Amino acid sequence: GENVEQHPSTLSVQEGDSAVIKCTYSDSASNYFPWYKQELGKGPQLIIDIRSNVGEKKDQRIAVTLNKTAKHFSLHITETQPEDSAVYFCAASIQSGTYKYIFGTGTRLKVLA
Amino acid sequence: EAQVTQNPRYLITVTGKKLTVTCSQNMNHEYMSWYRQDPGLGLRQIYYSMNVEVTDKGDVPEGYKVSRKEKRNFPLILESPSPNQTSLYFCASTPTSAGYTGELFFGEGSRLTVL
Repeated sequence: GENVEQHPSTLSVQEGDSAVIKCTYSDSASNYFPWYKQELGKGPQLIIDIRSNVGEKKDQRIAVTLNKTAKHFSLHITETQPEDSAVYFCAASIQSGTYKYIFGTGTRLKVLA
Repeated sequence: EAQVTQNPRYLITVTGKKLTVTCSQNMNHEYMSWYRQDPGLGLRQIYYSMNVEVTDKGDVPEGYKVSRKEKRNFPLILESPSPNQTSLYFCASTPTSAGYTGELFFGEGSRLTVL
């Protein structure tokens, strides 16, 4: 069946450094790739997304890249800050025009002050 | 404030005792869904609803029921809870009538422990 692999499961970086989280998906029909941030005790919140007709998207300190050929997409956070500490989930749509997603297993990011 | 509200936020119960987790959204969203989050497994969809009176199974529906009698509410029912349903549950919603955006709006979660 469809799946999304996410790495690493935990990531510690020094404040100000960059963080990269990688995901690989299996369904070649996937065309929408959101990233969610989950802070402690809260529900996931969308931080950035990318569609399959775009290779890269940036929003201030965060960016997402997509390689459709390799079925990889990555989240890049630059100039990390303590408030970036959270669990990050990637996801891939599995049916066009629906709201069905396969989520990755999550990455716990710790930004050390 | 636009939000998805779940209750209870925390619950400890015993095997076999029926329980309902409520979910309500005030954004007039058509689509609502339930997920469970388990360590190392990410978020897995339990049931979803495209609109009132329209529900369908997700990836892990066994042991759960849902209903969608009103647009704003989408309760999750565990008729006979078992310890393997101990998990963190999230309700989510999204609008569909304004075109596809993809963004899910999540509640704050309900942590359920079944003894």
